[in-house]
This record gives sequence, structure tokens and C-alpha cells, in this order.
Amino acid sequence: DAGVTQSPTHLIKTRGQQVTLRCSPKSGHDTVSWYQQALGQGPQFIFQYYEEEERQRGNFPDRFSGHQFPNYSSELNVNALLLGDSALYLCASSPDSAYNEQFFGPGTRLTVL
Amino acid sequence: GQSLEQPSEVTAVEGAIVQINCTYQTSGFYGLSWYQQHDGGAPTFLSYNGLDGLEETGRFSSFLSRSDSYGYLLLQELQMKDSASYFCAVRDEYSTLTFGKGTMLLVSP
Repeated sequence: DAGVTQSPTHLIKTRGQQVTLRCSPKSGHDTVSWYQQALGQGPQFIFQYYEEEERQRGNFPDRFSGHQFPNYSSELNVNALLLGDSALYLCASSPDSAYNEQFFGPGTRLTVL
Repeated sequence: GQSLEQPSEVTAVEGAIVQINCTYQTSGFYGLSWYQQHDGGAPTFLSYNGLDGLEETGRFSSFLSRSDSYGYLLLQELQMKDSASYFCAVRDEYSTLTFGKGTMLLVSP
């Protein structure tokens, strides 16, 4: 059983560009959350998707948007990239919101130059 | 808003016991989770406390006091592979997590 997978593993962009990150949840999981982890910090919640809708959102600007597909996979889009967007982007899935454990993917390392 | 405080770094030797404390200020508290992360890898779930008291899972135990907004992770019989960052995180009703800044545990021989 594959766990949470993310692509790409690494990405280099320049300021002002746009980026799309992808996530496939663990089999049987329908809830996907995205987190941003800056170097030396804890992961910070961006948003959560359930039933193809954004159910919750953290304190991130509208430049950050997402989507969930019928197969529960998800995308994170970031527009007008800033240097400060450089971070590890983590995707986490769970079977439902009642589940205590979040299963994290290996992340996408985004570098903005 | 929510905030969590935990020590930035803890050092210990193999075979020892170490405790990582976490205090939190939050609204909508549902429970306290602990995650382990090795060098930029995926965070992995260690433990969860929804009620006051101690939860034990092998060498790891976690404690919660809701009245004190305080919890800790206890690691016993430390091994070199336990060197990692440990995060406490407040869980809300939708299972989203607010993480602390993490505690780097260094285990030496």
C-alpha cells in the first residue's frame, strides 16, 4: 500500500512565477491538508480539502490556492512567487476528520530565486 | 490564535530517558499530537492525547493536562536513531494541526 506521494520532489522557480504541486493521498483517505515548513520551523497549515471543497484555511494569502479531484488527489498552486515562499511543502491525508493521525508525504522542496 | 512553546534543543546519551515539554495557548482545542521528523523528511505520527493522562506506545509515552495547557513526550531507552526533531501540535475538530517550532533531540553514544 503506497503512502502519501508528492511531486515533484524539488523545484526551483524565480520570483513572480507560478507553481503547481501535486499530492496523492494514502489509499482510502479522502481528506487532504497542505502545510508549509520553512527551514527550522514547524509545519504551518495552509488549507484542507474534503469532498473536493476547501473546508478550512490557515493564514495564507489568496496567492495560495488548491484543488481536490474526484479521486481525492490534490494540487497546491502558488501565484506570484516571493522569495519567502521558499520552503518544504507537505501534504497530509487522513481517512476522515475524526482520525487522530495525519499521514504526511515526503514533501516538495521549493526554492524561489 | 494559537501558540505552542517547546524547547529548541535537547541532548541526551544512548539508553537515557528524555522528556520534551510543550505548553500551548489555543482556542478550539481538541487534543495534542506528537510528530517526529528526521532531517527534512516526512513528519511521522508518534502519539495523541485527547484526554488528560498518560498514553504509552512502546518506548514513547505522552502526557496531557488540559487544565494546565501542558503536555510532554517521554522517550525511554534512547537510541541513536531517535535523533530527530520532535513537534507537538494542537489538533482541532477537523484534524488539522497547529505545530510548535520543534525540539531537536541529539542522542550521543
